[in-house]
Amino acid sequence: DTGVSQNPRHKITKRGQNVTFRCDPISEHNRLYWYRQTLGQGPEFLTYFQNEAQLEKSRLLSDRFSAERPKGSFSTLEIQRTEQGDSAMYLCASSFPPSGSSYEQYFGPGTRLTVT
Amino acid sequence: AQRVTQPEKLLSVFKGAPVELKCNYSYSGSPELFWYVQYSRQRLQLLLRHISRESIKGFTADLNKGETSFHLKKPFAQEEDSAMYYCALTDFGNEKLTFGTGTRLTIIP
Repeated sequence: DTGVSQNPRHKITKRGQNVTFRCDPISEHNRLYWYRQTLGQGPEFLTYFQNEAQLEKSRLLSDRFSAERPKGSFSTLEIQRTEQGDSAMYLCASSFPPSGSSYEQYFGPGTRLTVT
Repeated sequence: AQRVTQPEKLLSVFKGAPVELKCNYSYSGSPELFWYVQYSRQRLQLLLRHISRESIKGFTADLNKGETSFHLKKPFAQEEDSAMYYCALTDFGNEKLTFGTGTRLTIIP
């Protein structure tokens, strides 16, 4: 499967614990995005990388959230001191924008986080 | 702030009938508009984008800047069209996608 992969697919954790998710983008894609989706809502942008540089962070990304893409390939999203409000589907996407204005983001299957 | 509104959370249409999923947006710049679809147990995927002006799986969408709308249409619904549909926008040169809340389309056989 050459698509975007995410691990784990499901994570159940207790409030206050730290969790880390991993995203492996499509190999030639230099842009990587994280979104969060709660029940009944569309995906909400969290942050994105171009190669290893984190270029934009949403205000949704509190100090407890940190994302890295150390070698410009896979990325990790860590949530420290999880809260019940962090329960959501965390989506990763990647893209390789062609010249011009139009591009497509390819999404992974998501990691569903449940904080108890 | 940019915003995408999909007024219908649920839409049921009989097979063979026309389909229209509504999308309105508010944005002061020059947005690029997209429709993403998520079929049951599959990942989110791009259906079409306004700039390419393509027809994908019989769906079309026209960007109406005067009405700030990007409605998705199909003349004859098929059962395999049942899915969750999200309208999204981004500004040219801005990588962030802003999604609507989605419309769940159910095609009744």
